[in-house]
Amino acid sequence: GENVEQHPSTLSVQEGDSAVIKCTYSDSASNYFPWYKQELGKRPQLIIDIRSNVGEKKDQRIAVTLNKTAKHFSLHITETQPEDSAVYFCAAKGGSTLGRLYFGRGTQLTVWP
Amino acid sequence: NAGVTQTPKFRILKIGQSMTLQCTQDMNHNYMYWYRQDPGMGLKLIYYSVGAGITDKGEVPNGYNVSRSTTEDFPLRLELAAPSQTSVYFCASSSGGQNTEAFFGQGTRLTVV
Repeated sequence: GENVEQHPSTLSVQEGDSAVIKCTYSDSASNYFPWYKQELGKRPQLIIDIRSNVGEKKDQRIAVTLNKTAKHFSLHITETQPEDSAVYFCAAKGGSTLGRLYFGRGTQLTVWP
Repeated sequence: NAGVTQTPKFRILKIGQSMTLQCTQDMNHNYMYWYRQDPGMGLKLIYYSVGAGITDKGEVPNGYNVSRSTTEDFPLRLELAAPSQTSVYFCASSSGGQNTEAFFGQGTRLTVV
Protein backbone atom coordinates (compact mmCIF):
# COMPACT_ATOMS: atom_id res chain seq x y z
CA GLY A 1 0.00 0.00 0.00
CA GLU A 2 0.85 3.67 0.06
CA ASN A 3 3.37 5.09 2.56
CA VAL A 4 3.33 8.80 3.36
CA GLU A 5 6.22 10.40 5.22
CA GLN A 6 5.96 13.91 6.64
CA HIS A 7 8.68 16.28 7.87
CA PRO A 8 9.36 18.00 10.14
CA SER A 9 7.39 16.68 13.12
CA THR A 10 7.62 20.07 14.84
CA LEU A 11 8.16 23.53 13.40
CA SER A 12 8.45 26.86 15.20
CA VAL A 13 8.43 30.15 13.34
CA GLN A 14 8.16 33.82 14.17
CA GLU A 15 4.97 35.58 13.22
CA GLY A 16 5.27 36.89 9.66
CA ASP A 17 7.79 34.26 8.58
CA SER A 18 7.03 31.45 6.15
CA ALA A 19 6.55 27.80 7.06
CA VAL A 20 7.11 24.80 4.81
CA ILE A 21 6.03 21.23 5.50
CA LYS A 22 7.11 18.42 3.20
CA CYS A 23 5.65 15.01 2.43
CA THR A 24 6.73 12.12 0.27
CA TYR A 25 4.64 9.21 -0.95
CA SER A 26 5.47 5.81 -2.36
CA ASP A 27 2.63 4.86 -4.74
CA SER A 28 3.16 6.46 -8.14
CA ALA A 29 -0.54 5.85 -8.90
CA SER A 30 -1.69 8.18 -6.09
CA ASN A 31 -3.65 11.04 -7.59
CA TYR A 32 -5.03 13.26 -4.84
CA PHE A 33 -3.14 15.04 -2.06
CA PRO A 34 -5.08 16.92 0.62
CA TRP A 35 -3.76 18.84 3.61
CA TYR A 36 -5.64 18.95 6.91
CA LYS A 37 -5.32 21.34 9.82
CA GLN A 38 -6.18 20.19 13.33
CA GLU A 39 -6.48 22.79 16.06
CA LEU A 40 -6.10 21.69 19.65
CA GLY A 41 -9.02 19.53 20.75
CA LYS A 42 -10.78 19.72 17.40
CA ARG A 43 -11.27 17.53 14.37
CA PRO A 44 -8.98 17.64 11.31
CA GLN A 45 -10.34 19.90 8.58
CA LEU A 46 -9.32 20.22 4.96
CA ILE A 47 -7.44 23.44 4.16
CA ILE A 48 -6.20 22.80 0.65
CA ASP A 49 -5.77 19.94 -1.80
CA ILE A 50 -4.07 19.27 -5.09
CA ARG A 51 -4.70 16.82 -7.88
CA SER A 52 -2.12 14.88 -9.81
CA ASN A 53 -2.55 16.91 -13.01
CA VAL A 54 -1.65 20.18 -11.25
CA GLY A 55 1.79 21.30 -10.08
CA GLU A 56 0.81 24.12 -7.75
CA LYS A 57 -2.27 25.57 -6.11
CA LYS A 58 -2.66 28.71 -4.01
CA ASP A 59 -5.34 29.94 -1.66
CA GLN A 60 -4.45 33.28 -0.09
CA ARG A 61 -1.51 32.62 2.26
CA ILE A 62 -1.48 28.87 1.67
CA ALA A 63 0.03 27.07 -1.30
CA VAL A 64 0.71 23.46 -2.12
CA THR A 65 3.19 22.15 -4.68
CA LEU A 66 3.38 18.68 -6.17
CA ASN A 67 6.30 16.98 -7.89
CA LYS A 68 4.99 13.70 -9.29
CA THR A 69 8.35 12.64 -10.65
CA ALA A 70 9.99 12.88 -7.25
CA LYS A 71 6.79 11.82 -5.46
CA HIS A 72 6.73 14.66 -3.01
CA PHE A 73 4.40 17.52 -2.17
CA SER A 74 4.72 20.48 0.15
CA LEU A 75 2.58 22.95 2.07
CA HIS A 76 3.73 26.56 2.15
CA ILE A 77 2.26 29.09 4.56
CA THR A 78 3.36 32.68 4.09
CA GLU A 79 3.03 35.60 6.52
CA THR A 80 2.28 33.22 9.36
CA GLN A 81 -0.02 34.30 12.18
CA PRO A 82 -0.49 32.88 15.69
CA GLU A 83 -3.82 31.37 14.61
CA ASP A 84 -1.91 29.21 12.12
CA SER A 85 -0.58 27.27 15.13
CA ALA A 86 -1.97 23.74 14.81
CA VAL A 87 -1.08 20.22 13.70
CA TYR A 88 -0.97 19.83 9.94
CA PHE A 89 -1.43 16.48 8.20
CA CYS A 90 -0.68 15.61 4.63
CA ALA A 91 -2.41 12.71 2.94
CA ALA A 92 -2.37 10.81 -0.32
CA LYS A 93 -5.14 8.86 -1.95
CA GLY A 94 -3.73 5.53 -3.03
CA GLY A 95 -4.14 4.68 -6.66
CA SER A 96 -4.50 0.97 -6.10
CA THR A 97 -7.17 1.18 -3.37
CA LEU A 98 -9.76 3.67 -4.50
CA GLY A 99 -10.85 6.19 -1.95
CA ARG A 100 -8.58 5.27 0.89
CA LEU A 101 -6.51 8.12 2.31
CA TYR A 102 -3.07 7.53 3.79
CA PHE A 103 -1.99 10.17 6.31
CA GLY A 104 1.40 11.45 7.29
CA ARG A 105 2.28 11.60 11.00
CA GLY A 106 1.60 15.30 11.32
CA THR A 107 3.57 18.48 11.93
CA GLN A 108 3.04 20.61 15.03
CA LEU A 109 3.40 24.21 13.83
CA THR A 110 3.86 26.91 16.45
CA VAL A 111 3.84 30.55 15.42
CA TRP A 112 5.34 32.88 18.03
CA PRO A 113 4.04 36.45 18.20
CA ASN B 1 -26.02 19.54 7.27
CA ALA B 2 -25.02 17.33 10.18
CA GLY B 3 -22.08 15.78 8.27
CA VAL B 4 -20.37 13.08 10.33
CA THR B 5 -21.73 12.59 13.84
CA GLN B 6 -20.01 10.57 16.54
CA THR B 7 -21.32 9.55 19.93
CA PRO B 8 -20.39 9.69 22.72
CA LYS B 9 -17.94 12.61 22.93
CA PHE B 10 -16.33 11.32 26.11
CA ARG B 11 -16.29 7.96 27.84
CA ILE B 12 -14.44 6.31 30.70
CA LEU B 13 -14.28 2.52 30.63
CA LYS B 14 -12.94 0.05 33.11
CA ILE B 15 -10.47 -2.58 31.95
CA GLY B 16 -12.35 -5.51 30.42
CA GLN B 17 -15.53 -3.60 29.66
CA SER B 18 -16.94 -3.34 26.16
CA MET B 19 -18.51 -0.48 24.29
CA THR B 20 -19.59 0.67 20.86
CA LEU B 21 -18.61 4.01 19.38
CA GLN B 22 -21.31 5.22 17.05
CA CYS B 23 -20.71 7.01 13.75
CA THR B 24 -23.29 8.15 11.26
CA GLN B 25 -23.06 10.34 8.17
CA ASP B 26 -25.82 11.96 6.13
CA MET B 27 -23.83 12.70 2.96
CA ASN B 28 -24.46 9.34 1.27
CA HIS B 29 -20.72 8.63 1.30
CA ASN B 30 -19.54 5.18 0.34
CA TYR B 31 -16.25 5.33 2.22
CA MET B 32 -16.03 5.43 5.99
CA TYR B 33 -13.02 5.20 8.28
CA TRP B 34 -12.11 4.83 11.92
CA TYR B 35 -8.89 6.41 13.16
CA ARG B 36 -7.32 6.64 16.57
CA GLN B 37 -5.09 9.49 17.63
CA ASP B 38 -2.85 9.09 20.64
CA PRO B 39 -1.62 12.23 22.44
CA GLY B 40 0.80 14.19 20.27
CA MET B 41 0.62 11.58 17.54
CA GLY B 42 -0.83 11.19 14.08
CA LEU B 43 -3.86 9.36 12.82
CA LYS B 44 -3.74 5.59 12.70
CA LEU B 45 -6.31 3.75 10.63
CA ILE B 46 -8.19 1.06 12.55
CA TYR B 47 -10.78 -0.11 10.02
CA TYR B 48 -12.38 1.22 6.91
CA SER B 49 -15.31 0.43 4.66
CA VAL B 50 -15.86 1.04 0.97
CA GLY B 51 -19.60 0.42 1.12
CA ALA B 52 -22.40 -1.31 2.98
CA GLY B 53 -21.44 -4.87 3.81
CA ILE B 54 -17.72 -4.36 3.07
CA THR B 55 -15.08 -3.69 5.70
CA ASP B 56 -11.32 -4.09 5.85
CA LYS B 57 -8.54 -3.80 8.40
CA GLY B 58 -6.31 -0.80 8.67
CA GLU B 59 -2.97 -0.45 10.47
CA VAL B 60 -4.13 -1.17 14.04
CA PRO B 61 -7.25 -3.40 14.02
CA ASN B 62 -6.47 -5.61 17.03
CA GLY B 63 -9.01 -5.26 19.83
CA TYR B 64 -11.65 -3.69 17.59
CA ASN B 65 -14.47 -4.80 15.35
CA VAL B 66 -16.70 -2.97 12.89
CA SER B 67 -19.80 -3.56 10.85
CA ARG B 68 -21.41 -1.67 7.98
CA SER B 69 -25.00 -2.76 7.57
CA THR B 70 -26.11 0.57 6.08
CA THR B 71 -24.45 3.33 4.09
CA GLU B 72 -25.01 5.80 6.94
CA ASP B 73 -23.68 3.92 9.95
CA PHE B 74 -20.25 2.55 10.80
CA PRO B 75 -20.04 1.57 14.49
CA LEU B 76 -16.73 0.61 16.13
CA ARG B 77 -16.85 -2.07 18.80
CA LEU B 78 -14.26 -2.40 21.56
CA GLU B 79 -14.21 -5.77 23.26
CA LEU B 80 -12.34 -6.22 26.55
CA ALA B 81 -11.07 -2.65 26.82
CA ALA B 82 -7.39 -2.22 27.71
CA PRO B 83 -5.43 0.87 28.86
CA SER B 84 -3.62 0.84 25.50
CA GLN B 85 -6.94 1.77 23.88
CA THR B 86 -7.02 5.10 25.68
CA SER B 87 -7.11 7.52 22.77
CA VAL B 88 -9.19 9.93 20.76
CA TYR B 89 -11.20 8.17 18.07
CA PHE B 90 -12.24 9.88 14.85
CA CYS B 91 -14.71 8.62 12.33
CA ALA B 92 -14.49 10.02 8.80
CA SER B 93 -16.27 9.60 5.49
CA SER B 94 -15.69 10.44 1.85
CA SER B 95 -17.58 9.88 -1.35
CA GLY B 96 -14.75 7.73 -2.66
CA GLY B 97 -14.67 9.20 -6.12
CA GLN B 98 -11.63 10.83 -7.63
CA ASN B 99 -10.17 13.70 -5.64
CA THR B 100 -12.63 13.83 -2.80
CA GLU B 101 -12.34 15.28 0.66
CA ALA B 102 -12.67 13.25 3.85
CA PHE B 103 -14.97 14.74 6.48
CA PHE B 104 -14.26 14.01 10.12
CA GLY B 105 -16.55 13.64 13.09
CA GLN B 106 -15.83 15.63 16.25
CA GLY B 107 -14.08 12.73 17.93
CA THR B 108 -14.62 10.50 20.96
CA ARG B 109 -12.20 10.80 23.84
CA LEU B 110 -11.94 7.38 25.47
CA THR B 111 -10.11 6.64 28.70
CA VAL B 112 -9.65 3.08 29.93
CA VAL B 113 -8.82 2.79 33.63
